[in-house]
Amino acid sequence: RKEVEQDPGPFNVPEGATVAFNCTYSNSASQSFFWYRQDCRKEPKLLMSVYSSGNEDGRFTAQLNRASQYISLLIRDSKLSDSATYLCVVNVYNFNKFYFGSGTKLNVKP
Amino acid sequence: DARVTQTPRDKVTEMGQEVTMRCQPILGHNTVFWYRQTMMQGLELLAYFRNRAPLDDSGMPKDRFSAEMPDATLATLKIQPSEPRDSAVYFCASGLMTSGRGEQFFGPGTRLTVL
Repeated sequence: RKEVEQDPGPFNVPEGATVAFNCTYSNSASQSFFWYRQDCRKEPKLLMSVYSSGNEDGRFTAQLNRASQYISLLIRDSKLSDSATYLCVVNVYNFNKFYFGSGTKLNVKP
Repeated sequence: DARVTQTPRDKVTEMGQEVTMRCQPILGHNTVFWYRQTMMQGLELLAYFRNRAPLDDSGMPKDRFSAEMPDATLATLKIQPSEPRDSAVYFCASGLMTSGRGEQFFGPGTRLTVL
């Protein structure tokens, strides 16, 4: 079983829609969680960090559910520029292990 | 605006040649990571350093890959000899892994093609 699993998508949504992705992790000792976005042929860029139950930044909200071992990313009022691949990252054992999901692709259509 | 830099950005080489990739982490960051990304495998952690000491290189093929951090401003990843299956984008990332923080910041990557 993979340490981190994500639905690869693609999620095809119209502009203005609300879309949510889930990321499940297998190790209950996971301590911190991150969402990155990656554009085609570019490096991953940090979107949000989650150290407790969740985090919010503008149109983006991340929620952590430790009991069910998943973290979600909600994007409200989606823009064309939100089209990218979203990577979930899980940290285990006090920063000595990082695990990346394979990413969820989002296409926002006009 | 502090950034991780990587050189070269693109490298085309022939099978059997040595390839060296360089990374300058963000000043003050104590942890440096090397990743490889392909369409088939996604993002794979190859190795990482904390305070210049190697912490984990279990993701790296030891027979041909080596990673070093000769000083705090330079990390290198070397492949010798290179093979076509090494073709990928190699990312370096750095972060300040203290006080419960774990954010990593990625460089632009080195796109390696081995013919």
